[in-house]
Amino acid sequence: NAGVTQTPKFQVLKTGQSMTLQCAQDMNHEYMSWYRQDPGMGLRLIHYSVGAGITDQGEVPNGYNVSRSTTEDFPLRLLSAAPSQTSVYFCASSFLWDRVGEQYFGPGTRLTVT
Amino acid sequence: EDQVTQSPEALRLQEGESSSLNCSYTVSGLRGLFWYRQDPGKGPEFLFTLYSAGEEKEKERLKATLTKKESFLHITAPKPEDSATYLCAVQAGTALIFGKGTTLSVSS
Repeated sequence: NAGVTQTPKFQVLKTGQSMTLQCAQDMNHEYMSWYRQDPGMGLRLIHYSVGAGITDQGEVPNGYNVSRSTTEDFPLRLLSAAPSQTSVYFCASSFLWDRVGEQYFGPGTRLTVT
Repeated sequence: EDQVTQSPEALRLQEGESSSLNCSYTVSGLRGLFWYRQDPGKGPEFLFTLYSAGEEKEKERLKATLTKKESFLHITAPKPEDSATYLCAVQAGTALIFGKGTTLSVSS
């Protein structure tokens, strides 16, 4: 198993540009989530999904969209990038939605918005 | 409001010098407390789940314990390879709330 994969590893955007961060898992996990990690702020939940076709907002959803058309994929879209979205983004998954504490994390995407 | 606070922010130990990391929490209806390890430039890695006060879990030099208000991660005779950031989290509904972490440095 590849586990949780994320692409790209690094990205630089200009303010106002859009892009999609890719996340995929090959473990048939029901629950998937996106976090951002900023110095001094810890990990904060952006969006999550408890299964294909079902998504919900986390603590910091503004400026981000998600969709879950398949069990395997959970892309995160930035519609109009802002410098405040400069961060490290992690995708994670767990087997069941009620086992969210035992998540597998991807390697992260480091995003810089200038 | 559900909240997780970790202390200290940073901890420097000599190899073999045992210590503990603290995670205090407030959550309405604890559904689980979780410890993760994060190495620089990598995603967090799950370590332990604790569900009820008095519960303990061990893995190599690490032991996690839980009371009604806090959890401790005890590190016995640490080695340099134990250097990492240790994160604590609690489950609130279908989401995790993370603390800001404790960065542990173990020197030989």
